[in-house]
Amino acid sequence: GDSVTQTEGPVTLSEGTSLTVNCSYETKQYPTLFWYVQYPGEGPQLLFKVPKANEKGSNRGFEATYNKEATSFHLQKASVQESDSAVYYCALSVNNNNAPRFGAGTKLSVKP
Amino acid sequence: DAGVTQTPRHEVAEKGQTIILKCEPVSGHNDLFWYRQTKIQGLELLSYFRSKSLMEDGGAFKDRFKAEMLNSSFSTLKIQPTEPKDSAVYLCASSLRDSGEQYFGPGTRLTVL
Repeated sequence: GDSVTQTEGPVTLSEGTSLTVNCSYETKQYPTLFWYVQYPGEGPQLLFKVPKANEKGSNRGFEATYNKEATSFHLQKASVQESDSAVYYCALSVNNNNAPRFGAGTKLSVKP
Repeated sequence: DAGVTQTPRHEVAEKGQTIILKCEPVSGHNDLFWYRQTKIQGLELLSYFRSKSLMEDGGAFKDRFKAEMLNSSFSTLKIQPTEPKDSAVYLCASSLRDSGEQYFGPGTRLTVL
């Protein structure tokens, strides 16, 4: 079945440092890939999505490239802020009447 | 437009009780999802509906968990009987058909004593 594997957390960084959260996926179909972010006390919200292979998505300084050959969709940010502290979920969706598949989530804490 | 609404935001139950959680999806969305979220297991799918038809359910949750779409704009999740291990945040999400992009509610935090 379809699945997503991402960096195991928690991840602790200092403000101004760079972030990479690895995400790998498995599917026999052609997925749309997503990154969601969840702040304390809220539900996850879409950070961005990429429907096509070899394209890049970005939002709020975060970006990820849909790499079909490597089956990866790593989340990156050049300089994190304390306000980026949250849980990040990688997910995939295919049009096969199944629910999207989520990774386990990566908790990021950014220290001032 | 209103987002996904979940009520109550917090629920405390005694072991063995029946509880019902409620969800109103984004107007016009065809797909509705229920998830359980814990620190250890992350997001676990409980049920997935498309236009009121059950498309997928989490196999491990069949015995005491029952989700229903009463109409296109209202869903419930019943847990009967509750157990302490059910303590978690229950999230409802909706999406347009085949978009894959989910809109989540704020969740209901359930504590079972």
